[in-house]
Amino acid sequence: QSVLTQPPSVSAAPGQKVTISCSGSSSNIGNSYVSWYQQLPGTAPKLLIYDNNKRPSGIPDRFSGSKSGTSATLGITGLQTGDEADYYCVTWDSSLSAGGIFGTGTKVTVL
Amino acid sequence: QVQLQESGPGLVKPSQTLSLTCTVSGDSIRSGGHYWSWIRQHPGKGLEWIGHIYYSGSTYYNPSLKSRVTISVDTSKNQFSLKLTSVTAADTAVYSCARGLLRYLDRSYYFDYWGQGTLVTVSS
Repeated sequence: QSVLTQPPSVSAAPGQKVTISCSGSSSNIGNSYVSWYQQLPGTAPKLLIYDNNKRPSGIPDRFSGSKSGTSATLGITGLQTGDEADYYCVTWDSSLSAGGIFGTGTKVTVL
Repeated sequence: QVQLQESGPGLVKPSQTLSLTCTVSGDSIRSGGHYWSWIRQHPGKGLEWIGHIYYSGSTYYNPSLKSRVTISVDTSKNQFSLKLTSVTAADTAVYSCARGLLRYLDRSYYFDYWGQGTLVTVSS
């Protein structure tokens, strides 16, 4: 099955901005929407972004998503210590091995 | 509020079958519109999609697990289940169930509610 590639880690100081990339292919990100999840230590993942750039109710606008071609990006502005977590992208792969696929995950560290 | 709760043995012997059930509350599986999913996370690793089922029984599985996985649904109990056969230590992971939304037309796929997950250890 295809893989969505994310950087292992990103970091920034409180109040700064980070971006997390999610790189795929034409069979997945290239023709599907992307969603993003935050997983705080020891907890279940939480939906942050769906359909590339839509936020569920209750998700602050500090979190944003975008997609271009076969890559997607999650942005977090006004970084807070509570944002320190693992972040995952997800999309649907429509190749012969159709199904859901997760990104490799990115650890965000607030310096 | 939609809630999902995994249940099942926390210890499975190698070569045996891992069986878990997810009980859904706050939503009716038979109402349709959602894809009931299983996802796992190996210790200290990332998330892996196992597969999902629709209320009708239609399923999709991760190709890497397809030969060993069966996901079934019991709408009368508002539950869905996971069976993974011939397990090895490599199947030790936290297994989570989630409610998924999938629009095939434009391939939108995401999970809006998750269970807390249950650790399954494969060991003799």
